[in-house]
Amino acid sequence: NAGVMQNPRHLVRRRGQEARLRCSPMKGHSHVYWYRQLPEEGLKFMVYLQKENIIDESGMPKERFSAEFPKEGPSILRIQQVVRGDSAAYFCASSPNWRQDGSGNTIYFGEGSWLTVV
Amino acid sequence: TQLLEQSPQFLSIQEGENLTVYCNSSSVFSSLQWYRQEPGEGPVLLVTVVTGGEVKKLKRLTFQFGDARKDSSLHITAAQPGDTGLYLCAGARSSNTGKLIFGQGTTLQVKP
Repeated sequence: NAGVMQNPRHLVRRRGQEARLRCSPMKGHSHVYWYRQLPEEGLKFMVYLQKENIIDESGMPKERFSAEFPKEGPSILRIQQVVRGDSAAYFCASSPNWRQDGSGNTIYFGEGSWLTVV
Repeated sequence: TQLLEQSPQFLSIQEGENLTVYCNSSSVFSSLQWYRQEPGEGPVLLVTVVTGGEVKKLKRLTFQFGDARKDSSLHITAAQPGDTGLYLCAGARSSNTGKLIFGQGTTLQVKP
């Protein structure tokens, strides 16, 4: 099975431009998560999506950030009017439907997209 | 407020030594995961622990989930240079979500 695929791996944007990060989950996985890792900080949850639905966006900044997971195609994290503080590694993760047997909340991460805002 | 406190943050040891990394919280977690992350790459899952008191072994790595499901530890026996990396613990508050709370990470350096 192919793992979680993210692209681009590296992206440079000027302040004020838009950044679009894409994520294709593992085959058979219908849940997608986006996390952000700022320099010298830990991973922070941003948003949890299922196909065509946002389940939990409690970690998403209120402005300029949006995420979608359409019926067809990859999940997209969109950052409008980027600022220097948006420079970070953005990780996508995926999981299958949750099992009821208590097997745990295992999610699998992609290799990340590194955004640099200049 | 950091819900998961990981310690130590940095650890530099000689090859062959043993070490333990701790992940502590005042909150109860449904499950807890340990990941390892290399520079420029995403976190790679090592183990998931679900049951209080559970112990899992992965070669020289031993993972334990506290009885009250508030804390966990990772013990490495006879560390090798290949164990060098960033170790992350992450907890889930409920059983049907991949929304994880991560610790700050432990950077381990094993010198030959």
